[in-house]
Amino acid sequence: SQQGEEDPQALSIQEGENATMNCSYKTSINNLQWYRQNSGRGLVHLILIRSNEREKHSGRLRVTLDTSKKSSSLLITASRAADTASYFCATVPQLGTSGSRLTFGEGTQLTVNP
Amino acid sequence: DTEVTQTPKHLVMGMTNKKSLKCEQHMGHRAMYWYKQKAKKPPELMFVYSYEKLSINESVPSRFSPECPNSSLLNLHLHALQPEDSALYLCASSHSRANSLNQPQHFGDGTRLSIL
Repeated sequence: SQQGEEDPQALSIQEGENATMNCSYKTSINNLQWYRQNSGRGLVHLILIRSNEREKHSGRLRVTLDTSKKSSSLLITASRAADTASYFCATVPQLGTSGSRLTFGEGTQLTVNP
Repeated sequence: DTEVTQTPKHLVMGMTNKKSLKCEQHMGHRAMYWYKQKAKKPPELMFVYSYEKLSINESVPSRFSPECPNSSLLNLHLHALQPEDSALYLCASSHSRANSLNQPQHFGDGTRLSIL
């Protein structure tokens, strides 16, 4: 079952603007990951943030994690048309029988207009 | 190009056919995964293999039969599928189970399966 919810479901912006996507989850996690999926392609890993981290950067990406609120956000700065894709958050549970199971959120469809 | 290769890219089969999906990686990863993804929905985990042994089966119907013949290959054997099984089937891999919790998964581009 999917434990993550993402909002917005769809986001349309102009090139150069920033895009923010949010993710909420329900259970305790070991880490949270963000993936991008272009139409008709597989998922590409973007960034991983561990449960003891609060913020992480990678290029134009900034991810925050608030474990007290069980939520995360992904910020893409200075967006480009090539950023058009679906973005998914995925959680990995804390140690237990779940092992390396990724549970994905519902995803945000980002459209960046040139 | 992705480092996880899936074949075929597209597959159309009847409900009585038997076919197999194949996945290959040469990154030395010892954890491999099958996911099912319906249109506009997130991937759903089906199976996890760790060191060539099945470690997670998410209550998948027996008409889907996974196989991991060696550390680089993962197959998904299909038999007597239903129209609702039409979907994108994604394979992924990651580093060994010992430290896999903090390792990203690498995905192939999937096999788009249509059941007539």
